Amino acid sequence: EIVMTQSPATLSVSPGERATLSCRASQSVSSNLAWYQQKPGQAPRLLIYGASTRATGIPARFSGSGSGTEFTLTISSLQSEDFAVYYCQQYNNWPPKMYTFGQGTKLEIK
Amino acid sequence: EVQLVESGGGLVQPGGSLRLSCAASGFTFSSYWMSWVRQAPGKGLEWVANIKQDGSEKYYVDSVKGRFTISRDNAKNSLYLQMNSLRAEDTAVYYCAREGSTMIVVPPGGYYYYMDVWGKGTTVTVSS
Repeated sequence: EIVMTQSPATLSVSPGERATLSCRASQSVSSNLAWYQQKPGQAPRLLIYGASTRATGIPARFSGSGSGTEFTLTISSLQSEDFAVYYCQQYNNWPPKMYTFGQGTKLEIK
Repeated sequence: EVQLVESGGGLVQPGGSLRLSCAASGFTFSSYWMSWVRQAPGKGLEWVANIKQDGSEKYYVDSVKGRFTISRDNAKNSLYLQMNSLRAEDTAVYYCAREGSTMIVVPPGGYYYYMDVWGKGTTVTVSS
């Protein structure tokens, strides 16, 4: 089983600054990595897939990088609506076709 | 509008059963893998199960194998999760999600998979 570890658990950043969130896989997942944003009381929203491709409608201030076991989500110039919890997710080349999420990083206002 | 709407959640006693439903609209349901993802109170996301377009492949997280069954009815644009032998640790919001895919054009090829459409969730509480 592949374990996804996100760091830090909580990140405090001021609006307008850059935020860098990390995700590490216990073994290589190639570029089979997605990032999601979740706000309180809402369903998750897809931000990034294939480690670096922004999903439809996602602003350019969100960018993803990495491959293998180390991945980064960068949010340049934080906006008020960006403060949320962020999850990375890997998918396993099937069979079996399965997914694993990281435990999440809470991005809070400093 | 592309939409997923879950229903069927509620309060159930330990050992009991519950059937969740997810109604899809605004896209060709039969063309997509579909997943259930859950989130326990104050916790992170956990993928639970998924099912292939024609129902011929199904996969489950270890903690629900033998207790939960995922199914779909493409004629009704609906996804289901039958949950038996429920435990307190199954208490969560259960989300239905569409699995999108994008072809990888560089070698070795293949597809990227991700969850690109989510419902608002339905709450399951297992308690006596």
